[in-house]
Amino acid sequence: GDSVTQMEGPVTLSEEAFLTINCTYTATGYPSLFWYVQYPGEGLQLLLKATKADDKGSNKGFEATYRKETTSFHLEKGSVQVSDSAVYFCALILTGGGNKLTFGTGTQLKVEL
Amino acid sequence: SQTIHQWPATLVQPVGSPLSLECTVEGTSNPNLYWYRQAAGRGLQLLFYSVGIGQISSEVPQNLSASRPQDRQFILSSKKLLLSDSGFYLCAWSPPIQGLSPLHFGNGTRLTVT
Repeated sequence: GDSVTQMEGPVTLSEEAFLTINCTYTATGYPSLFWYVQYPGEGLQLLLKATKADDKGSNKGFEATYRKETTSFHLEKGSVQVSDSAVYFCALILTGGGNKLTFGTGTQLKVEL
Repeated sequence: SQTIHQWPATLVQPVGSPLSLECTVEGTSNPNLYWYRQAAGRGLQLLFYSVGIGQISSEVPQNLSASRPQDRQFILSSKKLLLSDSGFYLCAWSPPIQGLSPLHFGNGTRLTVT
């Protein structure tokens, strides 16, 4: 079946460090890919998305590129801030999949001063 | 603009008691609606989704049920809660179109079954 695999957390970084959260997927079709962010005690917010190969989604300094050849959608940010501390979820939707998101298990990011 | 409301924000219930969580969406018609559960230390699991009034699809067998009595209202229920029902429940909506649109989530309900 379709699935999303994320690196396990927590990931702990110092402020202004470079961030990479790995995400790979398995899908029978051609999915759209998303990153969602969940701040403490809140629901999920869409962070960025990409709908076709080589698309780059970006928002709030975060970026992720849809790599079909490696089935990956790694999340990156050049300089993290304490306010970026949250749980990050990679997710996919397949065409004809009823618009149902399949999520990874989430990666917790902790940014310290 | 569209908004989604989910309540209550937190809930503590004894084992064997009933459950009713409510979710409403404003600013759109005929949305797709979803209930997800996030168990401690685990990812998000789709429980139910609905493409219209009275149309409910269950993704996993469990102790819970869902109903959609009105176009923009989605209710998650249980007759008798189990300890394993504890978790963070998220309601979400997406536009009523074919295609790959992102989901928009409510703020969630943290349920603790004691």
